[in-house]
Amino acid sequence: AQTVTQSQPEMSVQEAETVTLSCTYDTSESNYYLFWYKQPPSRQMILVIRQEAYKQQNATENRFSVNFQKAAKSFSLKISDSQLGDTAMYFCAFGNNFNKFYFGSGTKLNVKP
Amino acid sequence: GAVVSQHPSRVICKSGTSVKIECRSLDFQATTMFWYRQFPKQSLMLMATSNEGSKATYEQGVEKDKFLINHASLTLSTLTVTSAHPEDSSFYICSARVPELNYGYTFGSGTRLTVV
Repeated sequence: AQTVTQSQPEMSVQEAETVTLSCTYDTSESNYYLFWYKQPPSRQMILVIRQEAYKQQNATENRFSVNFQKAAKSFSLKISDSQLGDTAMYFCAFGNNFNKFYFGSGTKLNVKP
Repeated sequence: GAVVSQHPSRVICKSGTSVKIECRSLDFQATTMFWYRQFPKQSLMLMATSNEGSKATYEQGVEKDKFLINHASLTLSTLTVTSAHPEDSSFYICSARVPELNYGYTFGSGTRLTVV
């Protein structure tokens, strides 16, 4: 069975600073995808970034980047130049070839002015 | 592009009644849709996977007779909570795989169900 663990229930960061959210997962599958989703107070799930497990290069999307360590089964999200609009719940997710998603418990990020 | 419209956004129903939640893919064909449940301050839990024209696949522990899922067309999937009870109160979210995007998924805006 796949499990996704986010060990930081809540984090705070000052505006313009950098913050890293942690995620570890457990799987016996060799081909899979990893995601970070943002859920603001509106509850709409928004894709932040995606990583294919077969790619060694870490994904980046503007201010968002990941540190993917496949052997360690670690997938952390780094947010640079944090903005007030980044305040939200962040979920790490694992997707397998059967199209099933498994979500972590989430990290509530507060960006302080 | 790749929008899933979910309705209603909020619904309050009386205990014992049934409630239907709809998810429509507006600009793509969703052959597969996923239904999730989210309790307050918790993560999303996959309830079932629906494929157009076939029976839904439910996750372990999800009551098939209580949560009826229909995916009769490539653009519409529905979740009906039958004989609702207060413990069914939750936030329900649908998601669809977007064929044009490589392993891309889009989520509906969610439905907050309150059973009184």
